[in-house]
Amino acid sequence: NAGVMQNPRHLVRRRGQEARLRCSPMKGHSHVYWYRQLPEEGLKFMVYLQKENIIDESGMPKERFSAEFPKEGPSILRIQQVVRGDSAAYFCASSPLPGRRYNSPLHFGNGTRLTVT
Amino acid sequence: AQTVTQSQPEMSVQEAETVTLSCTYDTSESDYYLFWYKQPPSRQMILVIRQEAYKQQNATENRFSVNFQKAAKSFSLKISDSQLGDAAMYFCAYRSGENNAGNMLTFGGGTRLMVKP
Repeated sequence: NAGVMQNPRHLVRRRGQEARLRCSPMKGHSHVYWYRQLPEEGLKFMVYLQKENIIDESGMPKERFSAEFPKEGPSILRIQQVVRGDSAAYFCASSPLPGRRYNSPLHFGNGTRLTVT
Repeated sequence: AQTVTQSQPEMSVQEAETVTLSCTYDTSESDYYLFWYKQPPSRQMILVIRQEAYKQQNATENRFSVNFQKAAKSFSLKISDSQLGDAAMYFCAYRSGENNAGNMLTFGGGTRLMVKP
């Protein structure tokens, strides 16, 4: 059973370009979470999506960032007009439908390291 | 909002010795989950151990155990018989037990563990 797949592993963009980060959740998982990790810091929640639905985007910057999880295909985190401060590792995690006593942890991908030059 | 604090940016332990990593958190909720994740240089996020707040018994996974003090909101990780492969960043994380919280995690800033041969 393949884990959470993220690509690309490394992405270099010049300032002003667009970055697209892809995440394929584990088989059977319908919920996707995106996190950002700045250098030497912990992971910070960005957005939580179900298929075709954004559940919580409270951690996502209001401008230039967007996320989607279409009915078919991977989840996409899109950053428009990137700036140097966007340089970070972006992690995707997935889980099945959570419940009150849901006990299964998030499964993380290996992250995409975005470098803005 | 919940916060997670790891007060030790770096810790060092001799191989085969025991080390304890500290974590405190702040929450007004009574139902929640706590986790320790390991992040080696490969960037992969590996679940080490988890604790349900409603369980009084401290979780244990082989050489890893926790000291969960609910009243003090403390959740420390003890690594016994440290091995070179334990060297990594360690992150403490909190997840709400509320139904609408999904599986979102709040992470601490991390502790870098070095293991000396």
